[in-house]
Order: sequence, then structure tokens, then C-alpha cells
Amino acid sequence: DAGVTQSPTHLIKTRGQQVTLRCSPKSGHDTVSWYQQALGQGPQFIFQYYEEEERQRGNFPDRFSGHQFPNYSSELNVNALLLGDSALYLCASSLTLTGVEKLFFGSGTQLSVL
Amino acid sequence: AQSVTQLGSHVSVSEGALVLLRCNYSSSVPPYLFWYVQYPNQGLQLLLKYTTGATLVKGINGFEAEFKKSETSFHLTKPSAHMSDAAEYFCAVTTSSYDKVIFGPGTSLSVIP
Repeated sequence: DAGVTQSPTHLIKTRGQQVTLRCSPKSGHDTVSWYQQALGQGPQFIFQYYEEEERQRGNFPDRFSGHQFPNYSSELNVNALLLGDSALYLCASSLTLTGVEKLFFGSGTQLSVL
Repeated sequence: AQSVTQLGSHVSVSEGALVLLRCNYSSSVPPYLFWYVQYPNQGLQLLLKYTTGATLVKGINGFEAEFKKSETSFHLTKPSAHMSDAAEYFCAVTTSSYDKVIFGPGTSLSVIP
């Protein structure tokens, strides 16, 4: 049973570019949350998707957008990249029945913006 | 709004010694509290959680934590540190099973042989 998988594992972009990160949830999970973890800090909640809709959003600008597909996989898109967007981006999946009491995290995508 | 503070960004203990990682939270409603561990180049793994009921909760790898409402604390302990415990530890809070999870800044645990 595969856990949460994220791709790519590492990515290098330049300022102003756009990036798309991908996440496949744990088998059977229907909810996907995205977190940004800057170096030396705790993860910060970006948004959560359920039934292909954004259910909750953290304090991130509109440059951060997402999508959830019918198979529950998800994408995180970031436009007009800034140096400050350099971070580890974590995807977490859960079952809506149990909610965040059982969050499973992927290993993340390390994004470097030059 | 909820928040989490973790006293001590770095903690070092000797192998076999007591591990104590501190967490204090702020929440306007009864909280759900979590401890997660992150090993290098990996995602977060749930160690233990408190939702309701017994205030002393036991988790994986011999860790436990006690919810103290009067002190707004949820400190993590382990009686005897093992080399494999060296990692980053995050305390987190939420208001319900369906709200966003707020993480603290983390504590890096080093275990000295």
C-alpha cells in the first residue's frame, strides 16, 4: 500500500517563473492538504482540497493555487515565483471521516528559487 | 486563533537520558494536540495525539505526552533516549478534526552517545 507520493522531489526555478507540484494521496484517502515548510520552521498550512473543491485556505497569496482531480490526486501551482517561495512543500492526505486526526505526509518537494 | 510555541529550538540529551520537549499552545476552544517527528529528507510522522478523554497519551517509539489545560501545555517525554530518536519534533494544534493544523516552529533533538 503506497503512502503519499510527491513529485518531483527537487526543483530549481528562477524568479518570476511558474511551478506545478504533484501529490498522490494514500490509497483510500479523499482529502489533500498542502503545507509550506521554510528552512528551520514548522509547516505552514496553504490549503485543503476535498471533492475537487478548496475547502480551507491559509494565509497565502493568490499566487498559490491548487487543484484536485477525480482520482483525489492534487496539484499545487505557484505563479510569479519569489525568492521567499524557496521551501519544502509537503502534501498530506486524510480520509474525511477521520479528518486531520490521521494525517499522512509525503516526503515533500524541495523548491529552490534563484 | 490558535498558536503553538516550543521552548528550545535545539535540545541535546545523552543516550539513555530522559527526553523532555516542551510545547505550549493557545486556543480559544478545547484543542486537539499532536506531536509529529521529521527525520532528514522525510515527511512528518505522527507520534501521538490528544483529542478528548485521558490526558496522558502514549505514542509510538516509547513517547508520551500529557495534556495540562491549566498550564496550556502538551510536553513530550521519553524515559530513555535512543540514538534513533535524533530528529526534528513538531507540536501542533487544531480545533477539530476538520480544521487546519497549526504547527510550532519545531525542536531539533540531538542524542549524544
